[in-house]
Formats: sequence, structure tokens, C-alpha cells
Amino acid sequence: SQKIEQNSEALNIQEGKTATLTCNYTNYSPAYLQWYRQDPGRGPVFLLLIRENEKEKRKERLKVTFDTTLKQSLFHITASQPADSATYLCALPSSGSARQLTFGSGTQLTVLP
Amino acid sequence: GAGVSQTPSNKVTEKGKYVELRCDPISGHTALYWYRQSLGQGPEFLIYFQGTGAADDSGLPNDRFFAVRPEGSVSTLKIQRTERGDSAVYLCASSSQGLQETQYFGPGTRLLVL
Repeated sequence: SQKIEQNSEALNIQEGKTATLTCNYTNYSPAYLQWYRQDPGRGPVFLLLIRENEKEKRKERLKVTFDTTLKQSLFHITASQPADSATYLCALPSSGSARQLTFGSGTQLTVLP
Repeated sequence: GAGVSQTPSNKVTEKGKYVELRCDPISGHTALYWYRQSLGQGPEFLIYFQGTGAADDSGLPNDRFFAVRPEGSVSTLKIQRTERGDSAVYLCASSSQGLQETQYFGPGTRLLVL
């Protein structure tokens, strides 16, 4: 089965800096990879999806890269703001099922004012 | 509807009791998913419905867990003979036919088994 590792459980950065979060996976290479944001007491919220044939995807201040050779995705938030503080989850379709998602344990980001 | 809704938002029960958790997906979404999330972990897949049928129930931990979606809309997750280890947040998500990979999550039901 797919295994996902996300870098450090917690990441603190200064407002205005770029936050970089890492997602590494083992086993097979998925057709796509997703990033979700989760605030305390809430369900995950979809942010971005990147497909295996895409190297990079952008949405406003967010940028995601996908390196199928390294089996790694990087998630960047530029010009970070305190409102970006949340837990960010990486998710991949599970082996044998394109609909079932396997999630990483998340990285808790805190942007300090 | 505006989004995925789940009821109750919190449920406290005693070991051995039966509980039902309800999910109301986004109107028109054909796919519905149940996940379970423990503290400090990501959501863990339980079961996926396409319409009324369970297309994949491989994540259900044992036969105490069961889920239904009789009319292809609302779904109920049922847990029999609850155990303390069942305590977690139970999340429901739905997705549309046209954009199947994107899952929209509800706020979850926080289940505490004493």
C-alpha cells in the first residue's frame, strides 16, 4: 500500500517568507497528487491537484511541484500570512483504487506576525 | 446545499453501545466517502459509495462498522458495540461525476467512547 511522509510535524516561519512543505511517497507513482488545508475542528479543504505529467501548478500564492523520479511533491506558500497558519495534508489515490485517498499525517504551519 | 453537512457534530457514548453518524453530501454529488481521523494523523479511508452501492469498503476495520446510502444521497455510518479505540473524528466527503478527484469534506463528527 502507499505510504506518505510529510516533513516535520510543525513548521514556524515569519510573515512574508515562503513556506515550503514536503511530501514523499513510496511504492507506485500515482496519477495525481493533492494538497488539502485543515483548520482545527474542521474538515480538510481541497487546495490543489497536480497530475503526473505536470511539473508545476500555481494558484495565487500557492505553488506545487511533482517529481515522479524523486517520488516527492513540494508545496510552497509565498508571501505567507498569519491566516495561512493551518495543517497541510498531502493525499494520493491509493493503489488499486483511483477514488480512495491515502493521506499523510500533515504538517502544522504557523506563520508568525 | 452549501456544503457537506454531518450530524451530530459531537457524540459521547459508552463502550458497547450502538451509534449512527449521518452525512448529507453536496446536492448532485454521486460519490460519497467516509474517513476516520485520529489526533495528529491524516484521514484514513473507510468506505466509498458510488450512487447507492458501496464501491469499496476495504477500509472498514471490522464487521462492527457498516454504512448505507439507500437513496444515493444521505449516508449513515453505523458502529455496533463501540470500543474506546473507535474514538476519533469521522469525516464524510463527496465528489461530483465531472470532477471526481476533488473531494469536499464535511466538518466531521467527533465520537468519544467512554
